[in-house]
Amino acid sequence: EPEVTQTPSHQVTQMGQEVILRCVPISNHLYFYWYRQILGQKVEFLVSFYNNEISEKSEIFDDQFSVERPDGSNFTLKIRSTKLEDSAMYFCVSRARMNTEAFFGQGTRLTVV
Amino acid sequence: KQEVTQIPAALSVPEGENLVLNCSFTDSAIYNLQWFRQDPGKGLTSLLLIQSSQREQTSGRLNASLDKSSGRSTLYIAASQPGDSATYLCALRVDNQGGKLIFGQGTELSVKP
Repeated sequence: EPEVTQTPSHQVTQMGQEVILRCVPISNHLYFYWYRQILGQKVEFLVSFYNNEISEKSEIFDDQFSVERPDGSNFTLKIRSTKLEDSAMYFCVSRARMNTEAFFGQGTRLTVV
Repeated sequence: KQEVTQIPAALSVPEGENLVLNCSFTDSAIYNLQWFRQDPGKGLTSLLLIQSSQREQTSGRLNASLDKSSGRSTLYIAASQPGDSATYLCALRVDNQGGKLIFGQGTELSVKP
């Protein structure tokens, strides 16, 4: 069964460092998202991406965050200068069409120290 | 602003019992509602997707209903098993701009053998 693949599964980084979280969405899906879940809290929307551009972003997704789909298969989330409060599980999500199921990857646990 | 609430926050039942998980939302203007399962430290697994025009969806021992007018959805699990132990999340798609999902905080289910 097709699945969303995320790497790495766990990343530890020092505060102020840049991190890139990588995702391979399901082939032929058109809509891509990043969500995060801080330990013990709700899953929160960060950004949606369609047709090679951001279609919506949340208040969390400030100038420190960026997304790219560099080669038609990978989808990345970059955090330029990590803060302690960026520690969370980050989920990549893809959807075939707007009204179909959202499929989540297994997540990258980011720990900022 | 759409708010999603899931009650109870935690539920413990003996194996074999039928159970109902609840999800309520404040704004009935939704496009669809999706139920997920999350195992500890893992990603989200899609269980059922209900479009706004539908009343219910079934998959195996799971049945999800949607009543937009009252702002409620329920997930019914028949003949519960220890393997059903997980956190169950409901999420609403509220727009066609980017298709983001708004999540409830989840119900942590424990099924005792």
